[in-house]
Parts: sequence; C-alpha cells; structure tokens
Amino acid sequence: EIVLTQSPATLSLSPGERVTLSCRASQSVTSYLAWYQQKPGQAPRLLIYDASKRATGIPGRFSGSGSGTDFTLTISSLEPEDFAVYYCQQRSNWPRITFGQGTRLEIK
Amino acid sequence: QVQLEESGGGVVQPGGSLRLSCGASGFTFRTYAMHWVRQAPGKGLEWVAVISVDGKDFHYADSVKGRFTISRDNSKNTLSLQMNSLRTEDTAVYFCARDPGTAAHYYFDYWGHGTLVTVSS
Repeated sequence: EIVLTQSPATLSLSPGERVTLSCRASQSVTSYLAWYQQKPGQAPRLLIYDASKRATGIPGRFSGSGSGTDFTLTISSLEPEDFAVYYCQQRSNWPRITFGQGTRLEIK
Repeated sequence: QVQLEESGGGVVQPGGSLRLSCGASGFTFRTYAMHWVRQAPGKGLEWVAVISVDGKDFHYADSVKGRFTISRDNSKNTLSLQMNSLRTEDTAVYFCARDPGTAAHYYFDYWGHGTLVTVSS
C-alpha cells in the first residue's frame, strides 16, 4: 500500500496569506495525485488532479505541483472560504487507492 | 447540474446487512465509472469500491472484499452498495462519487452528500 503523509497536520493562517501544503508518498506515484478540499459537514471537492491540473470551476489561486514522491498544493492568497481540510489522494497503483490523513487549514 | 443523492444508511448490528443506493441526475450516468468512498467519524477518507460503466468490472478495497458488492442500474441511474457481515469498523459516512472518465481514472469529480452507516450493538 502506498502511504501518503501530509504536513503539517494543522496550519493557522490569515486571509490574504500564501500557503503551501505538502504530501509525500512512500513510493513514486508519478503524477497520479489529486487534492481535495472538505468543509465540515460537506462532501470533498476535487481541486487538482494529475498533480497540477485544476478541476472544472476551481479558482486560479489553487495550484498543484510535484511528481514522484513529493507534491505541494499552493493557495496564492487565502480567501475566507478556503479554511477547510485538504486531502491528497493517489491513484498510481489502482485499485489500491489511498488518501493522506489531511491537513486542517484554520483561521489565525 | 450533476447531482448524486445517497440513501439507505442507518443503524445495524454487527454481522448485519444494509443496502445503500445513490441516485444520479444531471449527467449521462451510463457513461461514467462510479465509486463508493467512506469516512469514519472524525477521520479521513477511504476508497471502498468502483464499478465500470457497464457494471461488469468492479474492484474493492481489501477491507471490504468478500463482504460488500457494488452494482448499478443504468436504466434507473442508480448505484448501489450491498453491505453484508458488517463490522463496527464499517461505521462511516458513505459517499457515492463520480469518476471523471468512462474508463475509471480513480479520481472523484462529483460527490453526494453522504449517508451515515452506524454498526453498533
């Protein structure tokens, strides 16, 4: 099983700040990595797939990068609605799909 | 717009069974692979199962293999998950989710709101 480790577990920031979230895989997933945003009581929302492709309707302030084992999700300028939990997910060795444990982004 | 709506959750005793359904609308259901993903209370996400567009190919997470069965009815735009031999560790919100492709890409571009399954004596 490919283990995805996200860091940090929690991040406290203010609106307008730039943030970079990290996701590290226990073995290479090439570029087969996605990022999701989840707000309390809601379903996850696909932000990024194939490491760097923005999903339909996702604002340009969200960007993804990386390949192999190290990936990042960057939000260029935090909006109030961006405070949520973020998960990475790999599909490299389907059907053994795995998610990271999540990074909670909270308002400072 | 794409809509997915799960139903069928509830409280069941260990060893019991439950059948979840997911009604789809706003897209051509028969042309997309579909998944179930679950989330235990306060925990992260866990992929459960996938089914091909024609319902003939499916895969399961090791944790549910042999106990859960995914199926679909393209004439009714409905996805189902039959859960047998339920365990306390199956307690979770179950989401149905659409795959972006006809062939499964194993990403999830639209999700339902989820239905809670509680396995408890």
